[in-house]
Amino acid sequence: DTAVSQTPKYLVTQMGNDKSIKCEQNLGHDTMYWYKQDSKKFLKIMFSYNNKELIINETVPNRFSPKSPDKAHLNLHINSLELGDSAVYFCASSPPITGELFFGEGSRLTVL
Amino acid sequence: DQQVKQNSPSLSVQEGRISILNCDYTNSMFDYFLWYKKYPAEGPTFLISISSIKDKNEDGRFTVFLNKSAKHLSLHIVPSQPGDSAVYFCAAIVRGGGNKLTFGTGTQLKVEL
Repeated sequence: DTAVSQTPKYLVTQMGNDKSIKCEQNLGHDTMYWYKQDSKKFLKIMFSYNNKELIINETVPNRFSPKSPDKAHLNLHINSLELGDSAVYFCASSPPITGELFFGEGSRLTVL
Repeated sequence: DQQVKQNSPSLSVQEGRISILNCDYTNSMFDYFLWYKKYPAEGPTFLISISSIKDKNEDGRFTVFLNKSAKHLSLHIVPSQPGDSAVYFCAAIVRGGGNKLTFGTGTQLKVEL
């Protein structure tokens, strides 16, 4: 029973398209995140939500819009995809304060 | 500005020997440090952590050392096993700062038979 699950695992699409990645956690955590791992292997935070409320919004283009319908779900919608958006996107959740994130398996997005 | 740095992209160690992975940081506000392990096609998994009030934390074969004055931490794995072969990420956080983890770029550890 996967603690943090994200779909799809692989996504190949054309420039200009709009796509979404979904994430769900069954750990009962209040806080969820989206991280991006680029081609240089940097893992960078994009967004963080605490109990459906946005608390961290790093310098990310407006084309990226997170949505948290409830505290167990955090989806990522990307408009007008660009080549530079190709990366692995990781969803994560955590209990309060500890910093111990529980990651999903990642969604590899390839923009052609 | 890379606040957490892992200067060795890869490390190769023989089975049974000690693996030492290093990490440096620049932000003196960081007060909690974590190591994550990542296998291919999987998400990172938490391994061990250390608070800035300590200089050592041990969990089985894994020990993390923190040198605050040098802004340096290291992960020791003894003895190394083939299953330890993975990418290891160092991460740091300012507690109370929104749980925003800053990661290093990772070190690929290969434990050879």
